[in-house]
Amino acid sequence: AQSVTQLGSHVSVSEGALVLLRCNYSSSVPPYLFWYVQYPNQGLQLLLKYTSAATLVKGINGFEAEFKKSETSFHLTKPSAHMSDAAEYFCAVSERGGYSSASKIIFGSGTRLSIRP
Amino acid sequence: EPEVTQTPSHQVTQMGQEVILRCVPISNHLYFYWYRQILGQKVEFLVSFYNNEISEKSEIFDDQFSVERPDGSNFTLKIRSTKLEDSAMYFCASRNGQNQPQHFGDGTRLSIL
Repeated sequence: AQSVTQLGSHVSVSEGALVLLRCNYSSSVPPYLFWYVQYPNQGLQLLLKYTSAATLVKGINGFEAEFKKSETSFHLTKPSAHMSDAAEYFCAVSERGGYSSASKIIFGSGTRLSIRP
Repeated sequence: EPEVTQTPSHQVTQMGQEVILRCVPISNHLYFYWYRQILGQKVEFLVSFYNNEISEKSEIFDDQFSVERPDGSNFTLKIRSTKLEDSAMYFCASRNGQNQPQHFGDGTRLSIL
């Protein structure tokens, strides 16, 4: 069974500071990993995905994440936080499968990112 | 960029009534999903649909729930007799191939009174 653990339900950083949102996964098979962002009263937007190519994945809005198999981690980072980054961030895992596999996504419990002026 | 669209954005229904949530997936996508997010909680998988049949369903997806792709473009979620605990945001998602991510709609907020 797959699972995702996000450390810290709420992270607060100052504008311009480094953003680090932690995610650890558990999977018995090679996983696909994702970060989604949810702005207030909106849907889920894909930030970035890891599907077995480069272990350092660059996403939208200056975010990136590094897949570390030895640590079973997929932490999300951004060098300099902006006020518009305030949102809920979800780490997620999906099973790789054959072409007919439905591959549901398992979401973490989310981390709310607040940006201090 | 193509989007997954969901209607309505907000649905208010009396407990015990049937409700149908509608989704139009991206046109060339093959896999379809429903998820729900109870207020303040994480997003939970409900059901996946491929090749005109359910591929997988969670324990949440009991006999009160059903899905249908009636016309090749819409993908619907029906709740037969709604309960208070069905109040949540329901997200539809679709994806194309094996290595492709799921694209989510903006959700339908379902409020059961």
